Amino acid sequence: DAGITQSPRHKVTETGTPVTLRCHQTENHRYMYWYRQDPGHGLRLIHYSYGVKDTDKGEVSDGYSVSRSKTEDFLLTLESATSSQTSVYFCAARESAEQYFGPGTRLTVT
Amino acid sequence: AQSVTQLGSHVSVSEGALVLLRCNYSSSVPPYLFWYVQYPNQGLQLLLKYTSAATLVKGINGFEAEFKKSETSFHLTKPSAHMSDAAEYFCAVSEDQGAQKLVFGQGTRLTINP
Repeated sequence: DAGITQSPRHKVTETGTPVTLRCHQTENHRYMYWYRQDPGHGLRLIHYSYGVKDTDKGEVSDGYSVSRSKTEDFLLTLESATSSQTSVYFCAARESAEQYFGPGTRLTVT
Repeated sequence: AQSVTQLGSHVSVSEGALVLLRCNYSSSVPPYLFWYVQYPNQGLQLLLKYTSAATLVKGINGFEAEFKKSETSFHLTKPSAHMSDAAEYFCAVSEDQGAQKLVFGQGTRLTINP
């Protein structure tokens, strides 16, 4: 367990508004990831980080940005939320072979 | 590009029966393969992983999976289902153990009948 927390756990927002989701870990893991989960798609990687200020795109990065200014925090930002970004968002952290997942954030864009 | 196909979005078995969840992958290099389980309203938990050592991998909760290169498969099995095994199961592949950018299958929901 990497002591991963996500905030908020639930959020409803309107189309066009900015949204930031936070992932916090307590185990000093190097790698952190953001995924989205949608029915019929499993989980898809949005962005990941391999160290402080080091990030890269995943499979579905359009419309999302990330930042990692401290080892323990990885932020996901939707600059202008769209209805297609309604999803459950999971954060994960890893040091060796196993990714540890947070409890998820359910985001609804109306 | 790597990909994962899980055959059957829903599988239902009786308590005590064999569990078989199917996963086929596509990868241009020797893959790293994973099975994760997700209980309702929770994050994912690693069941087991294949990282090019033994082809038969044993995981938690009595699950195991066998890597078959010739069939590009990594099916998950458990000899005797328990009610607590009801969950969603995801197979995932990574071509790079450094960044470990996982590509997931669409998931299989396992239901256990009493």
